[in-house]
Amino acid sequence: DAKTTQPNSMESNEEEPVHLPCNHSTISGTDYIHWYRQLPSQGPEYVIHGLTSNVNNRMASLAIAEDRKSSTLILHRATLRDAAVYYCILSLYNQGGKLIFGQGTELSVKP
Amino acid sequence: EPEVTQTPSHQVTQMGQEVILRCVPISNHLYFYWYRQILGQKVEFLVSFYNNEISEKSEIFDDQFSVERPDGSNFTLKIRSTKLEDSAMYFCASSVEAGPTDTQYFGPGTRLTVL
Repeated sequence: DAKTTQPNSMESNEEEPVHLPCNHSTISGTDYIHWYRQLPSQGPEYVIHGLTSNVNNRMASLAIAEDRKSSTLILHRATLRDAAVYYCILSLYNQGGKLIFGQGTELSVKP
Repeated sequence: EPEVTQTPSHQVTQMGQEVILRCVPISNHLYFYWYRQILGQKVEFLVSFYNNEISEKSEIFDDQFSVERPDGSNFTLKIRSTKLEDSAMYFCASSVEAGPTDTQYFGPGTRLTVL
């Protein structure tokens, strides 16, 4: 299974931007980069995904390195409700939808 | 907004008993999944299901586990003879398709406690 590496934890202050890094040096050309998050006591929740170009949606932005070996999830203004575990997951072309979760990054947001 | 629902939210059972965890996926979704998360550990894939068949299963999904779509709306996970180590949160998810760009929508989970 394709592997991603994320820091175990990060801290942010409320209303400041947060950059959550992910390394995926073994990514192949057809693998999509997905981010999910898991709020306390809830199921995982989709955040964003991309292939090569940077992506924006109402929740976040995804910046993908030119060589695609790393990516960064950007929360433009962290709120207390953004405190969660954030997972960077590679979605393989022939994986049949199976998501392989790593340990993720636990983001804490201070008021 | 449509959502995946799961019942019960918490199930307590004795070791060796059978349990059935229920899920109602989003109505136009065709692919269904079960994941589990042991307390303090990562989310683990158990099984994917499409067209009334298992598409893929993990090593965890052994003979004591089974899945079924008994009608047009429910998707169930049965554990035949529960063990202490089956205690975990079980999450159901669904998606329209199962390609690399498809989003999975997760339910809130069922906490299974095996005594």
